[in-house]
Amino acid sequence: GENVEQHPSTLSVQEGDSAVIKCTYSDSASNYFPWYKQELGKRPQLIIDIRSNVGEKKDQRIAVTLNKTAKHFSLHITETQPEDSAVYFCAARRAAGNKLTFGGGTRVLVKP
Amino acid sequence: DGGITQSPKYLFRKEGQNVTLSCEQNLNHDAMYWYRQDPGQGLRLIYYSQIVNDFQKGDIAEGYSVSREKKESFPLTVTSAQKNPTAFYLCASSRREGTDTQYFGPGTRLTVL
Repeated sequence: GENVEQHPSTLSVQEGDSAVIKCTYSDSASNYFPWYKQELGKRPQLIIDIRSNVGEKKDQRIAVTLNKTAKHFSLHITETQPEDSAVYFCAARRAAGNKLTFGGGTRVLVKP
Repeated sequence: DGGITQSPKYLFRKEGQNVTLSCEQNLNHDAMYWYRQDPGQGLRLIYYSQIVNDFQKGDIAEGYSVSREKKESFPLTVTSAQKNPTAFYLCASSRREGTDTQYFGPGTRLTVL
């Protein structure tokens, strides 16, 4: 089955700097890659997603890039703010069915 | 994701007891999912259902059971066979086609005493 690896597991950045989280996946048939943000004790919330027919997608300070050949995708957060502190999860899904496989998560701490 | 509810928010169980976690959605989604999250860990799929009266095992189904008698409801039973049930349980739902983003409920924190 699908295997998703996520790095780093923790990331500390200074407010205003950029943060980058990388994920690799194993199943070349995966075609949908969402990113979720989870604050402490809360539910994961979708922040951005990308499909395999697109190489990059941007939404304000957040962007995601996808390299299908290398089977990896990345989340970029620019101009980080304290409210960006949370755990971020990447995920991948095959073309058939809706079963998502999640990465292990990255705990991001933005220091003021 | 405000259309997905889970109850209770906190649940305490004695060893040897079965407990049932509730998940309801009013988003008219066909697919529903149960995940388990341990402290500092990712999300692991327990069971999922793409249509009423049908469900499939996820990666860690042992010690759990589900039913899907109604489109809106997907309850999870944690049985006494689950060796280490203390965890945060998250329910999610999505459409089966088109924009099939998964939306999560607020979660149930289960503690075994």
